[in-house]
Amino acid sequence: EIVLTQSPVTLSLSPGDRATLSCRASQSVAGYLAWYQQTPGQAPRLLIYDTSNRATGIPARFSGSGSGTDFTLTISSLEPEDFAVYYCQQRNIWPYTFGQGTKLEI
Amino acid sequence: EMQLVESGGGLVQPGGSLRLSCSASGFKFTDYWMSWVRQAPGKGLQWVASIKHDGSDNYNADSVKGRFTISRDNAKSAVFLQMNNLRVGDTAVYFCARARGGMPPGWFDPWGQGALVTVSS
Repeated sequence: EIVLTQSPVTLSLSPGDRATLSCRASQSVAGYLAWYQQTPGQAPRLLIYDTSNRATGIPARFSGSGSGTDFTLTISSLEPEDFAVYYCQQRNIWPYTFGQGTKLEI
Repeated sequence: EMQLVESGGGLVQPGGSLRLSCSASGFKFTDYWMSWVRQAPGKGLQWVASIKHDGSDNYNADSVKGRFTISRDNAKSAVFLQMNNLRVGDTAVYFCARARGGMPPGWFDPWGQGALVTVSS
């Protein structure tokens, strides 16, 4: 099973700041990595898939990059609604697995 | 608008059974694999099970194999999760999600609002 390790566990920033979240895989996931956003009491929402493709309706301030075992989610300028928990997930090798999450707080 | 609505959650004793349902609308249900993903209280996400668009194939996580069964009724645009021999460790919010991308599809979008399953004596 592929283990995804996200860092940092918590990231404290302010609206307007740039956020950089990391996800490291225990073995290569090729480009098959996604990012999800979850706000308290809500279901996760797909943001990015296949490393860098934004899902439908996702603002351009969200971008993804990386390859192999190291991936990054960047939020260029934080809006108040962006403060949430972010999860990475791989679909290269079964079973598909998620990271433990990064909490982005104000 | 795509929508997934789960039902059937609740409190059950260890060793008991529960059946979750998920009703889908706003997309062509028969074109997609469907999945269940769970989240224990205060914890991260764990994929549980997926079923092929026509119901002819399915996958289950090792942690639920032999106890949980995923099924679907395409005539009703619904997917189900039959959970037997429940354990305290199965306590979680169970999300229904449409799956796409890859084979088996592994990107989950959209998600339902979730159904809380509590296993406790």
